[in-house]
Amino acid sequence: QVQLVESGGGVVQPGRSLRLSCAASGFIFSNYGMHWIRQAPGKGLEWVAVISHDGNKKYYLDSVKGRFTISRDNSKNTLYLQMNSLRTDDTAAYYCAKGWFYFDIWGQGALVTVSS
Amino acid sequence: SYVLTQPPSVSVAPGQTARITCAGNNIGRENVHWYQQKPGQAPVLVVYDDTDRPSGVPERFSGSNSGNVATLTISRVEDGDEADYYCQVWGSSGDRVIFGGGTKLTVL
Repeated sequence: QVQLVESGGGVVQPGRSLRLSCAASGFIFSNYGMHWIRQAPGKGLEWVAVISHDGNKKYYLDSVKGRFTISRDNSKNTLYLQMNSLRTDDTAAYYCAKGWFYFDIWGQGALVTVSS
Repeated sequence: SYVLTQPPSVSVAPGQTARITCAGNNIGRENVHWYQQKPGQAPVLVVYDDTDRPSGVPERFSGSNSGNVATLTISRVEDGDEADYYCQVWGSSGDRVIFGGGTKLTVL
């Protein structure tokens, strides 16, 4: 079945780095844009970044520009989010989601906690 | 930057109709998408492109969009519809996604 599975979450100190992965299955991964969307505890959804199907277009939330990098490996059906210089306000559940204009499939989320 | 405004909460009795609004400047010119999120779960798409429903979403869920307000309507509300609902657009600048703040639907 169509599925997205995130991994790589955890507890990290401010200023450190973390890389999230999102493994896709059940659809032709290389045909679709992919997004990262986050949700701080008890808060609403916040879009983070998007990458086009071929990796040529990438857009970011202003507050993560220069710190986060979205990428993909279509040969491995995997999406990534490299997060550097993490801040306490980056603490959230991070979801990967399939689509470009809207998101018809979401992963279950990976929890990232930034704390000293 | 473009802002989508949703009421924080909406309450409705079982069997009645719930309407959740999403206000934005000339939002009628945008394609609006809606998501349902139950506690501890990932969001689920319930309406896309203003009015379309993904397969598996009950016909009780419908959407409309005109002027400065988009609306998600849930007819014959059931206990299982209790959730947070978010509207979303692809920003007109073409380089970002925007979510509304979310509405908690309570079934009385």
